[in-house]
Amino acid sequence: GDSVTQMEGPVTLSEEAFLTINCTYTATGYPSLFWYVQYPGEGLQLLLKATKADDKGSNKGFEATYRKETTSFHLEKGSVQVSDSAVYFCARGNQAGTALIFGKGTTLSVSS
Amino acid sequence: DAGVTQSPTHLIKTRGQQVTLRCSPKSGHDTVSWYQQALGQGPQFIFQYYEEEERQRGNFPDRFSGHQFPNYSSELNVNALLLGDSALYLCASSFGLVEQYFGPGTRLTVT
Repeated sequence: GDSVTQMEGPVTLSEEAFLTINCTYTATGYPSLFWYVQYPGEGLQLLLKATKADDKGSNKGFEATYRKETTSFHLEKGSVQVSDSAVYFCARGNQAGTALIFGKGTTLSVSS
Repeated sequence: DAGVTQSPTHLIKTRGQQVTLRCSPKSGHDTVSWYQQALGQGPQFIFQYYEEEERQRGNFPDRFSGHQFPNYSSELNVNALLLGDSALYLCASSFGLVEQYFGPGTRLTVT
């Protein structure tokens, strides 16, 4: 069935380092792709999205590009901050477009 | 503009009991989805409600049921609770199908 695979964490970085979190998805259909962030003790917040191939989603310095040829949607940020420490989830829409299919999440820890 | 709200925040129940969780969607949203997030895992889709009907269901047993009211708010009911039902239950709302907005969740502990 449809699935999303994320790189395993935790990812530990120093402030101002470059961040990449890899995400690949099963290629059935043409799903919308999302990155959500979850801060400790909170629900999920939509970070960015892309709805078709070659679209680039961006928000708060984070970017991800919908790569159909490699079925990937990697999250990047040029300079992370301590406040970026959280769990990041990659997700795709299901084939009906009614529900989200999530990866297992990647924990990011940024130290000053 | 209030976002998605859920109640209660935390809940402790005993095996075999029943529980009801509540969700109010973001203003302007007509669709409510429920997800279960086990510790250390990504959320798993339970079901989605639109126009007071269950539109789609994930791979969850019939012990999980729901309802949507005319004001678009929703309830999730779980009967005959098992230890494995302990999780964070997330409600998400949307207008149409894409771009779901999540509430803070209800943490359910089954003892």
